[in-house]
Amino acid sequence: DTEVTQTPKHLVMGMTNKKSLKCEQHMGHRAMYWYKQKAKKPPELMFVYSYEKLSINESVPSRFSPECPNSSLLNLHLHALQPEDSALYLCASSREGTGRTDTQYFGPGTRLTVL
Amino acid sequence: QKEVEQDPGPLSVPEGAIVSLNCTYSNSAFQYFMWYRQYSRKGPELLMYTYSSGNKEDGRFTAQVDKSSKYISLFIRDSQPSDSATYLCAMSAQGGSEKLVFGKGTKLTVNP
Repeated sequence: DTEVTQTPKHLVMGMTNKKSLKCEQHMGHRAMYWYKQKAKKPPELMFVYSYEKLSINESVPSRFSPECPNSSLLNLHLHALQPEDSALYLCASSREGTGRTDTQYFGPGTRLTVL
Repeated sequence: QKEVEQDPGPLSVPEGAIVSLNCTYSNSAFQYFMWYRQYSRKGPELLMYTYSSGNKEDGRFTAQVDKSSKYISLFIRDSQPSDSATYLCAMSAQGGSEKLVFGKGTKLTVNP
């Protein structure tokens, strides 16, 4: 099973709203990622969590706030977003540690529209 | 020079054709090479994963890595309309939580 689930599938929010995106995996992976993907562009890395600790922040604006409550869950809290933040937000996970490396498995994404 | 170069296409082929998709890269530290398929408005789906040089086959798909030329390829045999998607190459130096570097993606259409 290589499934990463994301909720909601679609989200429309105003610039003053606060919302959260959720991601879950039950593959025992210890690294989880948030990506942003604009139309006709490849995914852009935003954050990486490794063993539930933030290991990479790609200079993402503070209106995006990640959280990793446990090894299976990853949240992305959104506040005061701009219309240009409208995109497909992708979660991914990969196995880490034990001397093995593995690639990243993506979820289906949350399509976010900021009005 | 970008780290990973991929022709965005679009590429249009008839059903049954052999499709060749390619990426070149400049970073000789890359050791892990992936191909993802992404249907419109969906998340990328891992197709092939290769470590270092060589070939890997999975059904109608064959991935080739030539590290000496810094060139990777994905071949699709007997292409089907359901193969119509954007194909992204991606690579990393260490795998795992190492940052993936993506190509721009090639949009493929297989016509019935």
